[in-house]
Amino acid sequence: GAVVSQHPSRVICKSGTSVKIECRSLDFQATTMFWYRQFPKQSLMLMATSNEGSKATYEQGVEKDKFLINHASLTLSTLTVTSAHPEDSSFYICSARDFGGLTDTQYFGPGTRLTVL
Amino acid sequence: AQTVTQSQPEMSVQEAETVTLSCTYDTSENNYYLFWYKQPPSRQMILVIRQEAYKQQNATENRFSVNFQKAAKSFSLKISDSQLGDTAMYFCAFMTRNAGKSTFGDGTTLTVKP
Repeated sequence: GAVVSQHPSRVICKSGTSVKIECRSLDFQATTMFWYRQFPKQSLMLMATSNEGSKATYEQGVEKDKFLINHASLTLSTLTVTSAHPEDSSFYICSARDFGGLTDTQYFGPGTRLTVL
Repeated sequence: AQTVTQSQPEMSVQEAETVTLSCTYDTSENNYYLFWYKQPPSRQMILVIRQEAYKQQNATENRFSVNFQKAAKSFSLKISDSQLGDTAMYFCAFMTRNAGKSTFGDGTTLTVKP
């Protein structure tokens, strides 16, 4: 299957600082990427849909000014957690939609564990 | 809005046996896809199998197969000849064809016992 990378895999930061997470589709172009948050032993919660060249669409209850998303190219989307607080500590997962020809599937990055002290 | 229900929070199976994970969904869409993803302890989401709603034939991938009942909105996963490496959390997911957004079930934790 297609490969999606995510960087960093782990990050620890101080409260009040900002953290950027990158999501890259390595062997296909993705006009749409998705950002999820996952708490331990729970399901994935969709935070936002990232569309190349346009503004992200946020799910209800997700603060767009806190979770800034930029999808500047067909292979890269970034999530910036601004002014991070301990309650933002979580596992963040991105996915990229491989949509073209006979395929239409989401492939996931390996996730980023964010710890805010 | 779509909903996906996995009614079995935890399951276990003996190595080499067969196990079936259940999934039901609710939607008013006609064009959609259904997926099973595996999430091992590493937490990497791995695509197990994919089904297109317009196809009546059930998808199969080696030891993994599905029983897709569109009218009943049911999409179960059968794992044959279970292996220790199959131990993971399994998520059923529904994806709309238009927006590409996915809705996930709460997951089933599968333990394969030696």
